[in-house]
Amino acid sequence: IVLTQSPVSLSVSPGERATLSCRASHAVGSNLAWFQQRPGQTPRLLIYGASTRATGISARFSGSGSETEFSLTITSLQSDDFAIYYCQQYMTWPPFTFGPGTKVEI
Amino acid sequence: QVTLRESGPALVRPTQTLTLTCDFSGFSLNTRGMCVSWIRQAPGKALEWLALIDWDDAKYYNTFLKTMTRLTISKDFSKDQVVLSMTNMEPEDTATYFCTRVDMANIFASDVWGQGTLVTVSS
Repeated sequence: IVLTQSPVSLSVSPGERATLSCRASHAVGSNLAWFQQRPGQTPRLLIYGASTRATGISARFSGSGSETEFSLTITSLQSDDFAIYYCQQYMTWPPFTFGPGTKVEI
Repeated sequence: QVTLRESGPALVRPTQTLTLTCDFSGFSLNTRGMCVSWIRQAPGKALEWLALIDWDDAKYYNTFLKTMTRLTISKDFSKDQVVLSMTNMEPEDTATYFCTRVDMANIFASDVWGQGTLVTVSS
């Protein structure tokens, strides 16, 4: 299953909202996760099951969608939200596949 | 607290075999649903899933990678440790290698990551 993310990069001002998209080549149900990777850091799980926030994740992050169309919304962007965001499907595996990422820039 | 830590050589020569170790704590690979995955990330590139071993010692590989036939994942039953071996290393294998926990009984995604280990393949 191929995941496509859009846009490739997104320029947002602090305090604004960002909406990132992930599209799957085949239906994955709700078996989709989102990860955040800050510069020089390890990826961190944000969302699983398409819409469930992982432990300790701010309510400013929300996931939605199912089957082939998914989105990650970040409200009130803060400085440490500027990062690369990856989606990953775990419906049909192996392999688990990741999208190419969306870079959220100031 | 769940932690994972990768270790291995920072530099390998082309054609050599890479062996990476993932030492973990805070969970047991003998518990149903628990798994450890290896994921890598070439410099400036996206994440790429490589392999997974589960609580029942079943092993899964990324069959879409040409590297698949070169990979072996295993666990040490006497220690909380998972090992990834990759033979015939090539410069294109230069990447940061992460091990992660996957809890298939609950989240199913990689919920805890090691800090990663950078492996450079160069002569």
